[in-house]
Amino acid sequence: NAGVTQTPKFQVLKTGQSMTLQCAQDMNHNSMYWYRQDPGMGLRLIYYSASEGTTDKGEVPNGYNVSRLNKREFSLRLESAAPSQTSVYFCASSEARAGKYGYTFGSGTRLTVV
Amino acid sequence: AQKITQTQPGMFVQEKEAVTLDCTYDTSDQSYGLFWYKQPSSGEMIFLIYQGSYDEQNATEGRYSLNFQKARKSANLVISASQLGDSAMYFCAMREGGTGGFKTIFGAGTRLFVKA
Repeated sequence: NAGVTQTPKFQVLKTGQSMTLQCAQDMNHNSMYWYRQDPGMGLRLIYYSASEGTTDKGEVPNGYNVSRLNKREFSLRLESAAPSQTSVYFCASSEARAGKYGYTFGSGTRLTVV
Repeated sequence: AQKITQTQPGMFVQEKEAVTLDCTYDTSDQSYGLFWYKQPSSGEMIFLIYQGSYDEQNATEGRYSLNFQKARKSANLVISASQLGDSAMYFCAMREGGTGGFKTIFGAGTRLFVKA
C-alpha cells in the first residue's frame, strides 16, 4: 500500500546512545516532516523539508538532526539521547504546503530513553 | 505567534447523536489552512477534513463537517450520527501561510468517547 513507512516501530535507548529514525514515502510528495507527540501536548514539529535538498527547524529542534537523503527519504538522528526525548515520533509527508489533502503520517516510532 | 486551542480534554456522546469538537486559532496571516485529524487507540494519525481561509463554504467530508467562523477564529468539527468507531483522539491543526507555509501546528487534542 502507498504511504509513509517508519522504522523502527519501537526502540529503547540508554542515555547518551545515538540512533537514526528512518522514514520513506512513495507518494512522490515534495515535503516531509518530523513531529514528536507527548501526552497533553499534541504534536510538535521538530524539523521539516519543504523539498528535496532543503531542511528547516521546527518548534523543538534541539538535540536532533535530519537528512533529506532524496525525495523519498527523510531521516531523524538523535546524537546523544536524553530521557526528555522519550516520545512517540511521527514522520509525515505532503504535497507542497499540505493543501486540501493534509498530511499522510507514518505509523509512528515509540522511543523510550532510560 | 500562531496558536491552536482545544478546550475540551474529553467529550462523551451517545451513539447516533451529533457532537461538536471545539477549536479556536490565532494567526495574523490572511492565508492559512485548518485541518482536523483523528488518532484512534491504535496510534495512527488520519486526516479528516480541510478548510482554507478563503473558502466561503464550510468543508464537509461524509459525516464530518467543519464549522468555520472566521471572525471568531473558530474551526469546530461536527461529527454527525456518531459511531462507536469514532471513539478516538481528535486534533485540530493550522498550516500557516506566507513564506512559512510548510509548518503545521497542532492543538492538544480532544478525546471523544462514543457510548453505546
